[in-house]
Amino acid sequence: DQQVKQNSPSLSVQEGRISILNCDYTNSMFDYFLWYKKYPAEGPTFLISISSIKDKNEDGRFTVFLNKSAKHLSLHIVPSQPGDSAVYFCALLPSGNTPLVFGKGTRLSVIA
Amino acid sequence: DAGVTQSPTHLIKTRGQQVTLRCSPISGHKSVSWYQQVLGQGPQFIFQYYEKEERGRGNFPDRFSARQFPNYSSELNVNALLLGDSALYLCASTLALGAVGQGGDQPQHFGDGTRLSIL
Repeated sequence: DQQVKQNSPSLSVQEGRISILNCDYTNSMFDYFLWYKKYPAEGPTFLISISSIKDKNEDGRFTVFLNKSAKHLSLHIVPSQPGDSAVYFCALLPSGNTPLVFGKGTRLSVIA
Repeated sequence: DAGVTQSPTHLIKTRGQQVTLRCSPISGHKSVSWYQQVLGQGPQFIFQYYEKEERGRGNFPDRFSARQFPNYSSELNVNALLLGDSALYLCASTLALGAVGQGGDQPQHFGDGTRLSIL
């Protein structure tokens, strides 16, 4: 059974608007929650992370929100730029520092 | 500074053959992990090595094996290739054991992957 779900395979947003990418998980035993961005023909690039003891982390245009009671993670990008067009993966780190568990990814298209 | 480098970039094999993929971590990084990403899925963990020892293994058959060398580079070997082994194979490195480091600020850095196609 999939522990990490990204239910939207794709998302289209206009340049300058907010992009909201979502991730749901089923197991409570995760220490860290990360977002990676992937362009075609490149490996995933780390974007931002949040510890399980926090509910928000901000880095420039990128903010990650964690709602532990709902087992829900989201990434907000404001304002969205065409260069943000990529596949975004949420990745969760279980307790004990075992390997990352990735979602299937959401393809974001930012339209100029 | 050079990032994680993987070779070859692309590879075409036929069923039953064997393949070796190579990875050089970021300088100073001692841990290397291997992931398989099939089309439409997220990366799936295969192996983690730290200080030349296997520290984790995902749910993959024994046809998959790996090793880490004294210079911390790594090889992933896959024997008796199947059509289902067609995927992007990603290597990631971190300074120490684990995927994010103590403060969550030392995430895994990925290479650009090797695209393996099985005919």
